[in-house]
Amino acid sequence: DGGITQSPKYLFRKEGQNVTLSCEQNLNHDAMYWYRQDPGQGLRLIYYSQIVNDFQKGDIAEGYSVSREKKESFPLTVTSAQKNPTAFYLCASSFNRRAGRNQPQHFGDGTRLSIL
Amino acid sequence: GQQLNQSPQSMFIQEGEDVSMNCTSSSIFNTWLWYKQEPGEGPVLLIALYKAGELTSNGRLTAQFGITRKDSFLNISASIPSDVGIYFCAGQLPRSGANSKLTFGKGITLSVRP
Repeated sequence: DGGITQSPKYLFRKEGQNVTLSCEQNLNHDAMYWYRQDPGQGLRLIYYSQIVNDFQKGDIAEGYSVSREKKESFPLTVTSAQKNPTAFYLCASSFNRRAGRNQPQHFGDGTRLSIL
Repeated sequence: GQQLNQSPQSMFIQEGEDVSMNCTSSSIFNTWLWYKQEPGEGPVLLIALYKAGELTSNGRLTAQFGITRKDSFLNISASIPSDVGIYFCAGQLPRSGANSKLTFGKGITLSVRP
């Protein structure tokens, strides 16, 4: 089935440790996105990539890093510089703009990151 | 930055009732999206709107793109227990080239009493 797969579902990080969240899509989407969701909050954009080997910072990029070496994959690393990493992380993907129209983003099922 | 306003934060309705939610912005958007999120899962796209005044249905759901382009409405008719979840609106600004970023509201948590 086509879709967006995030792994793991739950992740625990020790203080001072970097962790990497996986996001894979087989929808042939051009663009991929990472969001952070905190309780009672909307989604906040961390990083996004519209094409392979290129990515841009979102609204809350500090303490995070990404890579886009393949069209299907957009891993997110939460570094030790991120002082409040406990959150629900969502990956999304979309086609790039077509026929003058924005293309909707579709989401994976998220990874919940907690601090030990 | 842009903000989308969704209120109230929570809504409680009886099974079978209709419910209406709205989303407002101080900025003009050229795309409005409505998503539903269930606990522990990612948001699922319900309806996408691309033109001012557009009215689109998806089963019991109907959404409208406001004429001013600063608001959107989602209606759910004849609610059922599986309608529970968080309903987010999201907007995209007018922009040429690649997709512009999405701005999300904080969501409305809907509870349906059997």
